[in-house]
Amino acid sequence: EAQVTQNPRYLITVTGKKLTVTCSQNMNHEYMSWYRQDPGLGLRQIYYSMNVEVTDKGDVPEGYKVSRKEKRNFPLILESPSPNQTSLYFCASSPGQPSPLHFGNGTRLTVT
Amino acid sequence: DQQVKQNSPSLSVQEGRISILNCDYTNSMFDYFLWYKKYPAEGPTFLISISSIKDKNEDGRFTVFLNKSAKHLSLHIVPSQPGDSAVYFCAASARGNQFYFGTGTSLTVIP
Repeated sequence: EAQVTQNPRYLITVTGKKLTVTCSQNMNHEYMSWYRQDPGLGLRQIYYSMNVEVTDKGDVPEGYKVSRKEKRNFPLILESPSPNQTSLYFCASSPGQPSPLHFGNGTRLTVT
Repeated sequence: DQQVKQNSPSLSVQEGRISILNCDYTNSMFDYFLWYKKYPAEGPTFLISISSIKDKNEDGRFTVFLNKSAKHLSLHIVPSQPGDSAVYFCAASARGNQFYFGTGTSLTVIP
């Protein structure tokens, strides 16, 4: 089944403890990206990647890192999480531009 | 600054009637527009898209209209069904690089 898989689905952590949210797609898509969804703000793009080893900042990249060493994986790294990074995170992929994004089911992160 | 805006946080419609969801954008460079549907505890799922060279695209019960001069996008659902109850996001992109999403409209279809 074609899908974007994020792990974990839920994560509770403490301020400053490094964490990684994994994202993997099995559709051989070139493009991958990360979003966060917050009440009243919709979905905001954190980082995106047009291809392997190519990443670019989205609208809200501060406090996040990404890497794209392989086509299928695009992990989101929070080196020192803070409470304002408590949010619902979505990974998405697409074959290239322009084409629709396929989303994962989300990771709900709480930073205390 | 929000480049894509959905000014109606919620909408209620009777089953069988038309649902019209609206979206406005500010960036004239946007050339690709999409609508997504989202159920709780799931990721957004793609519904329909339109490129800036068209002003209408239809897929079954779903039609998207694009008015470039007004920088306005709308989604029509006819007829509306209870299963259409969800949050709808519009999105826009310039050459498929960054995607900008609206804040969403929660649609309730009343049986």
